[in-house]
Amino acid sequence: DAGITQSPRHKVTETGTPVTLRCHQTENHRYMYWYRQDPGHGLRLIHYSYGVKDTDKGEVSDGYSVSRSKTEDFLLTLESATSSQTSVYFCAISVRDQETQYFGPGTRLLVL
Amino acid sequence: DQQVKQNSPSLSVQEGRISILNCDYTNSMFDYFLWYKKYPAEGPTFLISISSIKDKNEDGRFTVFLNKSAKHLSLHIVPSQPGDSAVYFCAASPSGGSNYKLTFGKGTLLTVNP
Repeated sequence: DAGITQSPRHKVTETGTPVTLRCHQTENHRYMYWYRQDPGHGLRLIHYSYGVKDTDKGEVSDGYSVSRSKTEDFLLTLESATSSQTSVYFCAISVRDQETQYFGPGTRLLVL
Repeated sequence: DQQVKQNSPSLSVQEGRISILNCDYTNSMFDYFLWYKKYPAEGPTFLISISSIKDKNEDGRFTVFLNKSAKHLSLHIVPSQPGDSAVYFCAASPSGGSNYKLTFGKGTLLTVNP
């Protein structure tokens, strides 16, 4: 347990509405990541952060934005949710600036 | 263009036998490899890793083998237990300057039958 929490754990929303998912860590790790998991696709990187206000795009960043105003929180925003963004979203951290990442419990998002 | 491939979507083995999960990669810059296990409705959990300077790493019942020339790695679980039933993801990270980003395979569902 790397002290990662995600909120909400489940969310149902409608197409076109904004959605923000929160990842919170308690140990001041520098690197944080957002992934989505879909059947047949494994885990795909959406965005990542390498420090406060330092973020960059991952493999599937279209339709998503992120913000990191303080070390412990990394927010993922869907500006206008679409059905293709129905997925399970995982946050991860890199501990001691190494390749090994530890994951949160996930947020299951359904966009109707 | 899939850089990390797990070509077997599923694998079924008997309890007590060996489970072998395979992973291939195409990017020569990858030099650190990891295996994660995932149960339904939970986040992936780190299992074992290997650096490209090694060809084997062992942790209890889990051993990862790396064949750099073939760009292939495998995870051996001996003996397999019903609690090992989960989806296993292979992941890879390139050398230097990558911000420790990981590229994952699509996963292999392992079922261990009692």
